[in-house]
Amino acid sequence: ETGVTQTPRHLVMGMTNKKSLKCEQHLGHNAMYWYKQSAKKPLELMFVYNFKEQTENNSVPSRFSPECPNSSHLFLHLHTLQPEDSALYLCASSQDPGLAFDEQFFGPGTRLTVL
Amino acid sequence: KQEVTQIPAALSVPEGENLVLNCSFTDSAIYNLQWFRQDPGKGLTSLLLIQSSQREQTSGRLNASLDKSSGRSTLYIAASQPGDSATYLCAPKNSGGSNYKLTFGKGTLLTVNP
Repeated sequence: ETGVTQTPRHLVMGMTNKKSLKCEQHLGHNAMYWYKQSAKKPLELMFVYNFKEQTENNSVPSRFSPECPNSSHLFLHLHTLQPEDSALYLCASSQDPGLAFDEQFFGPGTRLTVL
Repeated sequence: KQEVTQIPAALSVPEGENLVLNCSFTDSAIYNLQWFRQDPGKGLTSLLLIQSSQREQTSGRLNASLDKSSGRSTLYIAASQPGDSATYLCAPKNSGGSNYKLTFGKGTLLTVNP
């Protein structure tokens, strides 16, 4: 596997379910990100982890819970979601957010549908 | 708060044409700016990154320019091909306290017709 991978690629869940999204980066990066992309809206940053520490929570509802056990893996735990949470969830990684030449690389995304 | 505008929202051109995509941003205090392409339902592919101290970057048929003081960047695509059809996104990076955030525009949907 190379680059940034995400599983599952598609997920359908009910409002009372609990599920998790997984992201793994094979680039040796130190920072990982979760973004949400809804139809007709720009990408929205949700969470940032740098060296396994959460450095950003962009006012995300608590029904979304991130976990970063190490610099290579990032999870997004989902529970009691709403239909408006249906979107494409994208994971990204980069070497160091504070560097001027820091470049973010994205995974293929998980298409989430909440019924 | 950074705001990013991309013009045009959609563009359709015949194969072989040269074209320019525009990006403007309101906060010129940026560290860098990335251009991405996104195919339908897929993730983002990084095309070019321009540091705030640079004026332009080139990769193959792509050339991106940056005028930080005026809050503008352009992506020039030479000799367009049907495979270039995608949504193109620009994203400047700002510092938000201890964090460095990309802010995305809504993108330009490019269609290159054979």
